[in-house]
Amino acid sequence: GENVGLHLPTLSVQEGDNSIINCAYSNSASDYFIWYKQESGKGPQFIIDIRSNMDKRQGQRVTVLLNKTVKHLSLQIAATQPGDSAVYFCAETLSGGYNKLIFGAGTRLAVHP
Amino acid sequence: DTAVSQTPKYLVTQMGNDKSIKCEQNLGHDTMYWYKQDSKKFLKIMFSYNNKELIINETVPNRFSPKSPDKAHLNLHINSLELGDSAVYFCASSQVAGLTAYQETQYFGPGTRLLVL
Repeated sequence: GENVGLHLPTLSVQEGDNSIINCAYSNSASDYFIWYKQESGKGPQFIIDIRSNMDKRQGQRVTVLLNKTVKHLSLQIAATQPGDSAVYFCAETLSGGYNKLIFGAGTRLAVHP
Repeated sequence: DTAVSQTPKYLVTQMGNDKSIKCEQNLGHDTMYWYKQDSKKFLKIMFSYNNKELIINETVPNRFSPKSPDKAHLNLHINSLELGDSAVYFCASSQVAGLTAYQETQYFGPGTRLLVL
């Protein structure tokens, strides 16, 4: 399933399916992008990052895609598990900008067995 | 081992009171941050300190005053609390402040849930 994470929408997927969470970032000059996962009652947890000189980066079960032309970022989670249920945030920042992160609104991922 | 810790976890107080939230990191990082997360889950940076020096100061009421006694600690003091201050406050830290060519990953604490009545 896909969703655009602008107003904390919910993306519902079946366990074992692939999930795609989208994010539109705001500053065309941003050059570092991060995805964070926030479980209920906890702080944001780093998942994966990507720098602007790349368009794809893979981690364990996760892939981040960056399209600078349209200022779009996506997070793909393979074989989604119940433990992936959380709110996912994209964040952008700019080199030399004192690491000031600008967060997107977040997308809630609900994984159903 | 807790990397970034905050105290207290919950804070319920009356309007007009003054309260402090404490943050400590044992990652050896040089830079620490305070973020506010509102009821709609929106996360926004408030302050950042690099090695005890204030480097980010967003448009935050001057009732909020951060203090960094050393680079492992960043506290947030809030005077004359208002209803709108109710939120979750997160502390974070990173290796450096991003003054070089590349940014550094920020690691977040568990949050302090502040409720102003």
